[in-house]
Order: sequence, then C-alpha cells, then structure tokens
Amino acid sequence: DVKVTQSSRYLVKRTGEKVFLECVQDMDHENMFWYRQDPGLGLRLIYFSYDVKMKEKGDIPEGYSVSREKKERFSLILESASTNQTSMYLCASSFLAGDPYEQYFGPGTRLTVT
Amino acid sequence: AQKITQTQPGMFVQEKEAVTLDCTYDTSDQSYGLFWYKQPSSGEMIFLIYQGSYDEQNATEGRYSLNFQKARKSANLVISASQLGDSAMYFCAMREGAGRRALTFGSGTRLQVQP
Repeated sequence: DVKVTQSSRYLVKRTGEKVFLECVQDMDHENMFWYRQDPGLGLRLIYFSYDVKMKEKGDIPEGYSVSREKKERFSLILESASTNQTSMYLCASSFLAGDPYEQYFGPGTRLTVT
Repeated sequence: AQKITQTQPGMFVQEKEAVTLDCTYDTSDQSYGLFWYKQPSSGEMIFLIYQGSYDEQNATEGRYSLNFQKARKSANLVISASQLGDSAMYFCAMREGAGRRALTFGSGTRLQVQP
C-alpha cells in the first residue's frame, strides 16, 4: 500500500514564526504536491515537485517555499506565518506517467496561526 | 472561469438508495483526466474513480460509476446502494493535458447518508 505521511496532524504556531511541514512517501513516486484546503474552496495547489531539487509554483505560492532534497521527502515552509495561512495542508504524491497516475494523499496537517 | 464546478454544497440520501453528485469541467485540452476523491471526517483523501478523456466507456469501480458526458463537459459520480459509511465530502478533480501533473479540484459536495 502507498503510504504518504505528514509530520503533524495538528500544529499551532504564532504569527511571524517559521513553520516546516514535512511529507514523506514510500512508493518511489516522482511527483509530490502540496495543497491547501479551505471550506468552500476545495484544494488549491501551492507547489509541486517532479524530481529532486525541482519545483514549480502552483496557484497560490505566495508566502510559501518548498524543499526537495531527497526523492521521498517534500517540505513546505512558511517563512513568516500569518493568520491567513491557518488552514488544512495536504501532501500528495504520484508517479510521473502511466494513466491514471492518481495522487495519493497524506492525512493532512491542520495548522492554526495565532 | 472555474475549471471544476460542483454545484451541490450538500446532499442527503437514504441508505440503500442511489445518489448522483454533479461535476462539470472546463478545458480546451483534448487530453485530460477526471477524478473523484472521497474525504471522510478523518481528513484523508481517498481516490475513488478515474475517467480519461479518450475512454469511450464510463468508468466503474464497485458501487461507484462515473457518468461521463464529454459534449456537456460533465463527469457525475453515481453511488449505488448508499451506505452510512459513504457520508463524506466528495471532490471532483481534473488533470489537463499530458504535461501538467497537478490536479484542479472543485469545491466539493458533502454527502450525508441517512438511515
């Protein structure tokens, strides 16, 4: 079974703190993704990576950065957390090709910034 | 314009009945894929079913089927014989073209199955 794990289920941080969200997958997937989920908005793509050290901006990258130093690990960084970054963060991974190459998701991290 | 539209924020269905969750999409690509995911209250996203734009037959997976109407750009999810465990958020998503790897999601439909 594919397993995507995220470092925390719940996280509370203060405004201005640097926040690291870690994601690890064990299926040798090339692609990894970070999404943000807010009520009524569905999931929105923040960043994705298709290879080690490669990254591409998604639809809402402002205020975030990412790091992928190893194939299995993809980190999301909030350089200076703000209250409008309070949200559910979901990591996903998939193969590069081979229909349907569906994405497998981690359990999510619910981040609260106070 | 919204790429994926789910017009039903919430739906109720009686146990053992069938239910259809609506999804319309907007793309100019010829090659694309459509997905449905389930998100129970525990939060994890569970892949349910996939339909490729070139697939001529509607996709089916157990009690799930995808009613794909290409000309109307709709990809509705049909759940037959609803069970209490089907109560969850359901998201329709699309991957456009061969190059783009990420999915674009709709806003979701919350389904509640009543005994």
